[in-house]
Amino acid sequence: EPEVTQTPSHQVTQMGQEVILRCVPISNHLYFYWYRQILGQKVEFLVSFYNNEISEKSEIFDDQFSVERPDGSNFTLKIRSTKLEDSAMYFCASSGQGAYNEQFFGPGTRLTVL
Amino acid sequence: GESVGLHLPTLSVQEGDNSIINCAYSNSASDYFIWYKQESGKGPQFIIDIRSNMDKRQGQRVTVLLNKTVKHLSLQIAATQPGDSAVYFCAEVSNSGYALNFGKGTSLLVTP
Repeated sequence: EPEVTQTPSHQVTQMGQEVILRCVPISNHLYFYWYRQILGQKVEFLVSFYNNEISEKSEIFDDQFSVERPDGSNFTLKIRSTKLEDSAMYFCASSGQGAYNEQFFGPGTRLTVL
Repeated sequence: GESVGLHLPTLSVQEGDNSIINCAYSNSASDYFIWYKQESGKGPQFIIDIRSNMDKRQGQRVTVLLNKTVKHLSLQIAATQPGDSAVYFCAEVSNSGYALNFGKGTSLLVTP
């Protein structure tokens, strides 16, 4: 069964460093998302992406965040200058039919900022 | 602002019993709701969805009920099994149809 994959599974970085989290969405999906989950809290929406553009973003997704689809298979989330409060699980998701349809989630990348 | 929340943070049931997990939402304009299951160390897994033009939807051992009058959503799991132990989240879809707004989650523990 097709699935969303994410790398790395765990990323440790120093405060102020840049990190890139990588995702490979399901191959025929066209809509991509990033969410984060701080330990013990609910899953929070960051951004949705379609046709090489951001279609929606939350207040969390400020100027230090960016997303990119650098090739036909990868979808990345970049955090330019990490802060301690960026420590969280980051989930990538994809869907095949856009709005109001099921989103398939990857296993997540645990980001630890020291 | 608008929010989605869960009534109970934890629920413990015996294997074979039915489970009911509840969720309240505040955005009366919400059109689409989803229940996700999250096992330890994994991403959310889709269970079942329901659109606002429906009151009830059934899947395999799961039923979602939507009461738009009181803005309440519930997930019923029949004959709960140990493999059902997980955190369950309800989510409403934003007005744009893209962003999922998750509730805080209910931890379901199934005991033998």
